[in-house]
Amino acid sequence: TQLLEQSPQFLSIQEGENLTVYCNSSSVFSSLQWYRQEPGEGPVLLVTVVTGGEVKKLKRLTFQFGDARKDSSLHITAAQPGDTGLYLCAGEVNNNNDMRFGAGTRLTVKP
Amino acid sequence: GAGVSQSPRYKVTKRGQDVALRCDPISGHVSLYWYRQALGQGPEFLTYFNYEAQQDKSGLPNDRFSAERPEGSISTLTIQRTEQRDSAMYRCASSQWTGGYEQYFGPGTRLTVT
Repeated sequence: TQLLEQSPQFLSIQEGENLTVYCNSSSVFSSLQWYRQEPGEGPVLLVTVVTGGEVKKLKRLTFQFGDARKDSSLHITAAQPGDTGLYLCAGEVNNNNDMRFGAGTRLTVKP
Repeated sequence: GAGVSQSPRYKVTKRGQDVALRCDPISGHVSLYWYRQALGQGPEFLTYFNYEAQQDKSGLPNDRFSAERPEGSISTLTIQRTEQRDSAMYRCASSQWTGGYEQYFGPGTRLTVT
């Protein structure tokens, strides 16, 4: 079983729609990161959240860290085809840089 | 160099052979991670180092897999007696320090065992 469960596994939407993807665990994380990966490339960091309840915005992307630091969500407003990719969450366990990734959400935004 | 580099980029080997995959992290980065990634899936943790010390190797599938980072910089992931199920993309990442610092990923090594 995955330490971090991401949902949905696949998501296909039309340009302009809003969406939310989730990252859940029964474990508490010192910090949690969201990455985006395009085909043939390595993951690239979008954001790091460290405080329970923290909300960070990155243009049309809004990231939230759960109060108990066990879960997180990523909301995209007015999705664009350029948002297409694999969205990964990664949690830091044991406060020793021991990072674990979820399986990812594969997002496709159709023009 | 400017980023994390890995070599070789592609490796085709026959079953039963040993392979060594190299990772050269960003200069000065303390932490170095090894992952295995299936197509369309998230990176599967294998092991990681802080400096030269291997912190956690619980993700290594079995004792055919080993990793080292003897001088706290370049790391080698070795797979002995390769099997077809070892075929995958092997990715290395490095980060500056602890506490949720960004991981910078290398381009990966695509390993194919025939």
